[in-house]
Amino acid sequence: DTAVSQTPKYLVTQMGNDKSIKCEQNLGHDTMYWYKQDSKKFLKIMFSYNNKELIINETVPNRFSPKSPDKAHLNLHINSLELGDSAVYFCASSHQGAGNSPLHFGNGTRLTVT
Amino acid sequence: AQSVTQLDSQVPVFEEAPVELRCNYSSSVSVYLFWYVQYPNQGLQLLLKYLSGSTLVKGINGFEAEFNKSQTSFHLRKPSVHISDTAEYFCAVMLYGGSQGNLIFGKGTKLSVKP
Repeated sequence: DTAVSQTPKYLVTQMGNDKSIKCEQNLGHDTMYWYKQDSKKFLKIMFSYNNKELIINETVPNRFSPKSPDKAHLNLHINSLELGDSAVYFCASSHQGAGNSPLHFGNGTRLTVT
Repeated sequence: AQSVTQLDSQVPVFEEAPVELRCNYSSSVSVYLFWYVQYPNQGLQLLLKYLSGSTLVKGINGFEAEFNKSQTSFHLRKPSVHISDTAEYFCAVMLYGGSQGNLIFGKGTKLSVKP
């Protein structure tokens, strides 16, 4: 009955490869997000998406692309992986709008690029 | 632009001692304020939030925080910590009326509770 689930939990791959991380939420939320947490624990929003709008953080390279087959899923595709992409990626969801709908996070995917 | 500063990157404390984790924010407009906790190898979960009203807000696990508009602070406190409180704590700010995608996190404070 996990609310926000991500797979895989760990992902080790070589530079130049293309990989995907999957995310599913069963909370009935209308908005999903991807965050990147670097080695210093700093959290940065990458994307927010609902069925109306995709908002992209302008600092995210276009090698990263979110894909949403339906409201409950938001997958993250990464092309041509680089060493600097190594981080923990968190999926989250909420009801769009004001701050009285907190973010619910998945447990993260630790990506290591070698 | 909004920003969040967590003044201490690490806070070691003994079990049953009180603790305060400091958070200051910068914004020219009204904001919502949040504290999230991240246990090892897990995602973040909401501890408490300030939207409006009483400046003292109580959260889960015995934590509370006080919003101080004049000092632009939102410090997190617990009167007596447990070993299980060992985790990373993140302060976050969001523009009043904004969306969760505009949640700006501080760099986190690692709370280490020792027996």
